[in-house]
Amino acid sequence: EADIYQTPRYLVIGTGKKITLECSQTMGHDKMYWYQQDPGMELHLIHYSYGVNSTEKGDLSSESTVSRIRTEHFPLTLESARPSHTSQYLCASSQQGAGEKLFFGSGTQLSVL
Amino acid sequence: KNQVEQSPQSLIILEGKNCTLQCNYTVSPFSNLRWYKQDTGRGPVSLTIMTFSENTKSNGRYTATLDADTKQSSLHITASQLSDSASYICVVSDRGSTLGRLYFGRGTQLTVWP
Repeated sequence: EADIYQTPRYLVIGTGKKITLECSQTMGHDKMYWYQQDPGMELHLIHYSYGVNSTEKGDLSSESTVSRIRTEHFPLTLESARPSHTSQYLCASSQQGAGEKLFFGSGTQLSVL
Repeated sequence: KNQVEQSPQSLIILEGKNCTLQCNYTVSPFSNLRWYKQDTGRGPVSLTIMTFSENTKSNGRYTATLDADTKQSSLHITASQLSDSASYICVVSDRGSTLGRLYFGRGTQLTVWP
C-alpha cells in the first residue's frame, strides 16, 4: 500500500465556493502530481512539483492552483468552483530515478452543483 | 501524435478463466511502459514497469509483454479472481525528461463473474 493520502474522499459543493483538496505523502518523495480523471477517460496531468517551492502547470488547462511549502504536502485549491470542475482528482508522488514508479492516492470525487 | 490505445474497452470473463488485454502506442522516443490496476473509486496501483530491453515481466498472476518494434504490449491475467475486476490502464513514458512525459490509455474495464 502506498503512503499517500487524499482528503476528502467525496465532496459536494455549490457553485462559487472555494475548496482545497488535500494530499500528503509520508514516503519523502520529491515529485508530486495532480491528475484529473473523468469516467472512462484517461488521466490528465493538471499540476506537478519537483520539490519544495516548485510548481508547474500540466497538460490540461485548469483553473486550480497548487502550493508546495513542505515536501510531504501538495494541496490543490479551486477559488470558485463550477459544475465543469466536477471530476475525480488523483494525487500521486514519485522519487527521482530510472523507471520511477508513481504512487497514487485514493482520489477525491468532486461534485459541483 | 503520441497516443496510447487499449483494447478491448471492456471485457467480461468467468472466474478462473484467463484473459489478455492489449495496448498499442505511438509514443516516441520510448522510455518505458507501465500497467496499472485501478479499482472503482480508488487510485491506480502499479503492476509492472518495462523498459525497451525487457519483453516480459510478471507480477503474480499478471504477465506483461512488450514488443518495442511493433509498439505493442499485452497484459495476461491467469486464473482470474473476482478481485481482478477493475480497470487496467496502460501508460507509456517518453524520454523527454527525467520522469518523461506520461501518456495514459483509457483503460480496459474487466469484470470477473462467479
